[in-house]
Amino acid sequence: DAGITQSPRHKVTETGTPVTLRCHQTENHRYMYWYRQDPGHGLRLIHYSYGVKDTDKGEVSDGYSVSRSKTEDFLLTLESATSSQTSVYFCAIRGTGGAGANVLTFGAGSRLTVL
Amino acid sequence: KQEVTQIPAALSVPEGENLVLNCSFTDSAIYNLQWFRQDPGKGLTSLLLIQSSQREQTSGRLNASLDKSSGRSTLYIAASQPGDSATYLCAAEFSSWGKFQFGAGTQVVVTP
Repeated sequence: DAGITQSPRHKVTETGTPVTLRCHQTENHRYMYWYRQDPGHGLRLIHYSYGVKDTDKGEVSDGYSVSRSKTEDFLLTLESATSSQTSVYFCAIRGTGGAGANVLTFGAGSRLTVL
Repeated sequence: KQEVTQIPAALSVPEGENLVLNCSFTDSAIYNLQWFRQDPGKGLTSLLLIQSSQREQTSGRLNASLDKSSGRSTLYIAASQPGDSATYLCAAEFSSWGKFQFGAGTQVVVTP
């Protein structure tokens, strides 16, 4: 999807274990986002990044941390996974310049199940 | 709190009928508004983006309008087809900070 790769695409884990989801982009965009999508809640912003080592919290950031040490990679970590974090996680990038300026492009999603 | 609302949550139309999807937002200081399509089990695909200085955008059978004063955006899909069946979401950016607020989406079914 337009240069965005999420990994893993599917993961089943147990409560209390750490989990890291990776978002990789090939287009050198400044803004990257992590959302979660749940029935009845729609898409909710977890964290976003506006540059290397520059991140900020979204509306549902509790229990999540992020890191961006390189432009192309944005990592989402669940330090100790809980069942309430079972969800589909989407990474997105924001286009810069030209016809794609400000357009959000999403990855294919990572489905996480916490047992 | 800045909110984005999409009503109805679900909609069914016969093939060939025009689709009208609504998106309401609470803050007129909108930076831009985007419409997306999501197929079951898939990610979101951007359809149209309207900057705050624009009134509408068109792409093929799709037309999206933006009325900041009334806090509304409308997505029109002309001559609907079964392949248009999907969930349509709108997202508003209320500043240039880069955060987008999503509506819950409207699930559309186009029957042959």
